[in-house]
Amino acid sequence: RKEVEQDPGPFNVPEGATVAFNCTYSNSASQSFFWYRQDCRKEPKLLMSVYSSGNEDGRFTAQLNRASQYISLLIRDSKLSDSATYLCVVNSVSSASKIIFGSGTRLSIRP
Amino acid sequence: GAGVSQSPSNKVTEKGKDVELRCDPISGHTALYWYRQSLGQGLEFLIYFQGNSAPDKSGLPSDRFSAERTGGSVSTLTIQRTQQEDSAVYLCASSLVQGAVGYTFGSGTRLTVV
Repeated sequence: RKEVEQDPGPFNVPEGATVAFNCTYSNSASQSFFWYRQDCRKEPKLLMSVYSSGNEDGRFTAQLNRASQYISLLIRDSKLSDSATYLCVVNSVSSASKIIFGSGTRLSIRP
Repeated sequence: GAGVSQSPSNKVTEKGKDVELRCDPISGHTALYWYRQSLGQGLEFLIYFQGNSAPDKSGLPSDRFSAERTGGSVSTLTIQRTQQEDSAVYLCASSLVQGAVGYTFGSGTRLTVV
């Protein structure tokens, strides 16, 4: 089983819609969680950290569910510019030096 | 520098040749990571440096891969006797301390082995 798993998508939604996707992680002792965004043929960039209490940044809301070992990302009022691949990232405790990236969920916003 | 700089941005090489990929991290960042990403795939961890030492080399796929970091700054990833399956984008990231959220990626080196 992969340490971090994501639905690869693609999610194809109309502009203005709300979209959410989850990411599951296998190690219950994992401590740090992030969402990164990667545009086509570009490097990944940090979108937001995920805190235990949940956090919001504008149209983006991240949640952590430790009991079920998943994190989620909710995007409200989606824009065309939100089209990208969203990578779930977990700080591995098997090796503290390593941050594990999921394979990403592809999101496509249509006009 | 202002960001993580990688060179070359693109490299086409013949099978069997050696290649060197360079990463210049953000000034003052002590942690440096190499990943590779094949087309349509996620990021595969290769190696991590803290200063000049590499406490975690577990991701290097074979002994044809090696990396070094000098002066706590620039790192070079070397692939010897390249194979077609080595074709990928090689990404370098740096952070101020190990595991910190401030993980900044370079724009990568796209390696094509023909």
